[in-house]
Amino acid sequence: KNEVEQSPQNLTAQEGEFITINCSYSVGISALHWLQQHPGGGIVSLFMLSSGKKKHGRLIATINIQEKHSSLHITASHPRDSAVYICACWEGAQKLVFGQGTRLTINP
Amino acid sequence: DAGVTQSPTHLIKTRGQHVTLRCSPISGHKSVSWYQQVLGQGPQFIFQYYEKEERGRGNFPDRFSARQFPNYSSELNVNALLLGDSALYLCASSLVRTGHNEQFFGPGTRLTVL
Repeated sequence: KNEVEQSPQNLTAQEGEFITINCSYSVGISALHWLQQHPGGGIVSLFMLSSGKKKHGRLIATINIQEKHSSLHITASHPRDSAVYICACWEGAQKLVFGQGTRLTINP
Repeated sequence: DAGVTQSPTHLIKTRGQHVTLRCSPISGHKSVSWYQQVLGQGPQFIFQYYEKEERGRGNFPDRFSARQFPNYSSELNVNALLLGDSALYLCASSLVRTGHNEQFFGPGTRLTVL
């Protein structure tokens, strides 16, 4: 079993739909990242959070430390949101443990 | 400001060869981490360097080594390449060593081993 599990692995939706991607982790963590990876490989950090909720534009990330669970929400999804979304957890100070990623496709 | 840069962008090698990948962090960032991402999977942690010293190492064989230079740039070296080393190698930099600082990723080097 992976230390960081994401669901779903693949998600296809229509433009405008509300999107939720889930991340569950078994490691003890100090913080959690949500990352976006576009075709070609470049990774962009969307959020880093250790408690509560953060919002940036149409993106919202939440974390529940007690339940070891985080969610990434996208409101009013758009085809340009199509990418792989990766959850990654800091295990201590040196090691970032990644989930396998969720491939999101938004159709117009 | 320039982001994290990596070179080369693509590389093709044959089994048994050696490869050196390079990373330049964002100006002022002293920590560099290396990750391997095999196609279809999430990245795997290889090394973290801070102030020119190795501060963390993932579960990779001794064929993998790295170093950080006084200007905080870094090299990842892989010896005796195997087919399974084919992957996207990502470098990320951050201001400090601790885990509570955002990591900024480079575009990656795609290594193909034939």
